[in-house]
Amino acid sequence: GAGVSQSPRYKVAKRGQDVALRCDPISGHVSLFWYQQALGQGPEFLTYFQNEAQLDKSGLPSDRFFAERPEGSVSTLKIQRTQQEDSAVYLCASSLLTGISNQPQHFGDGTRLSIL
Amino acid sequence: DAKTTQPNSMESNEEEPVHLPCNHSTISGTDYIHWYRQLPSQGPEYVIHGLTSNVNNRMASLAIAEDRKSSTLILHRATLRDAAVYYCILNSVANSKLTFGKGITLSVRP
Repeated sequence: GAGVSQSPRYKVAKRGQDVALRCDPISGHVSLFWYQQALGQGPEFLTYFQNEAQLDKSGLPSDRFFAERPEGSVSTLKIQRTQQEDSAVYLCASSLLTGISNQPQHFGDGTRLSIL
Repeated sequence: DAKTTQPNSMESNEEEPVHLPCNHSTISGTDYIHWYRQLPSQGPEYVIHGLTSNVNNRMASLAIAEDRKSSTLILHRATLRDAAVYYCILNSVANSKLTFGKGITLSVRP
């Protein structure tokens, strides 16, 4: 079956440009997560949606980062006025239920963002 | 969130069993122990999870200490495809987000 799909797979942008990263979760999955993974590090939580509601955005590093999931399925992570430190792999994950600690999360393969 | 401690790396031989340890001395009663792995250039992949009892699935086994302060992920016959970073993560009922550490890098020798 179809897993979590992220696009683009790779994105190169010049410093100061805006970028938009897309995540298509597994159909029917209520929860959607965004993580940021720097080179050589484990993923770090950015934000979390339950359907269309953004319930936790405590991990977003600055107000340049914005995420939305308007219809409770596809999500977009937008980064405005990109900076070199934004270079990382951005991972999206979805899970069937929310608030349940034994639900596995299913990850996409990420978008590798490089800021020149 | 309660923290986990893993060695930085481990090497194994192909077709031999591998035991990956994890310490979590501050685990709370509601924390599930999850293991994910990440192959190069891929997103993390769920491996197994448990609460108190040992667990088996098609990928691996999870052995949980009686006091729950440590656990071990067991790969029964390592293959080259098992070379990855393995993350041991605690996940409580109230906190669905995953808190990854650096994980343990497993190398498999042919």
